Amino acid sequence: GESVGLHLPTLSVQEGDNSIINCAYSNSASDYFIWYKQESGKGPQFIIDIRSNMDKRQGQRVTVLLNKTVKHLSLQIAATQPGDSAVYFCAESGRAGTALIFGKGTTLSVSS
Amino acid sequence: DARVTQTPRHKVTEMGQEVTMRCQPILGHNTVFWYRQTMMQGLELLAYFRNRAPLDDSGMPKDRFSAEMPDATLATLKIQPSEPRDSAVYFCASGALTGGGYTFGSGTRLTVV
Repeated sequence: GESVGLHLPTLSVQEGDNSIINCAYSNSASDYFIWYKQESGKGPQFIIDIRSNMDKRQGQRVTVLLNKTVKHLSLQIAATQPGDSAVYFCAESGRAGTALIFGKGTTLSVSS
Repeated sequence: DARVTQTPRHKVTEMGQEVTMRCQPILGHNTVFWYRQTMMQGLELLAYFRNRAPLDDSGMPKDRFSAEMPDATLATLKIQPSEPRDSAVYFCASGALTGGGYTFGSGTRLTVV
């Protein structure tokens, strides 16, 4: 079946740096993408989403970029803080409201 | 903030016993998902419902797993009989067709010994 994957399983940054987490997806028909953050012992927490008719969307300290040509998704976190340390998952679906397929996750470690 | 409530948070049971996990989705969300998370497989979709009707349960072992939505405020996932390989964290999530992501509960950590 189709799958969503991440380029790197771990990423270590210094507090205050910008972080970039990458994700490659394989289903060219995917229409809706979400980034989730999961802290230890908790459920995934919604960060930001983007539809395929957009190539960039910004939130508070986060930006998601979508490159449909190469089927690549990235999450940029500005001024990374220790509280950003978590596992980050990208997920895709055919459209909003349908089942999400998750990648394996990238563990972000922020040192102060 | 609205939240998805899952019970129990933790469950330890013996192999062969029945396990029932419950989920209260966010009021107004018409789509409910069940996911299972393990270190090896990551987050796997088990089943999902829209307006209480099952849309896809292809990820669920049919011989032992069953998922239902008796009403709009309750979703259940049942395993009978449970096996050690079912040990995982089971998440429920709810959402709407309008987007805005899906809200996950805190999960049920199941250990089958």
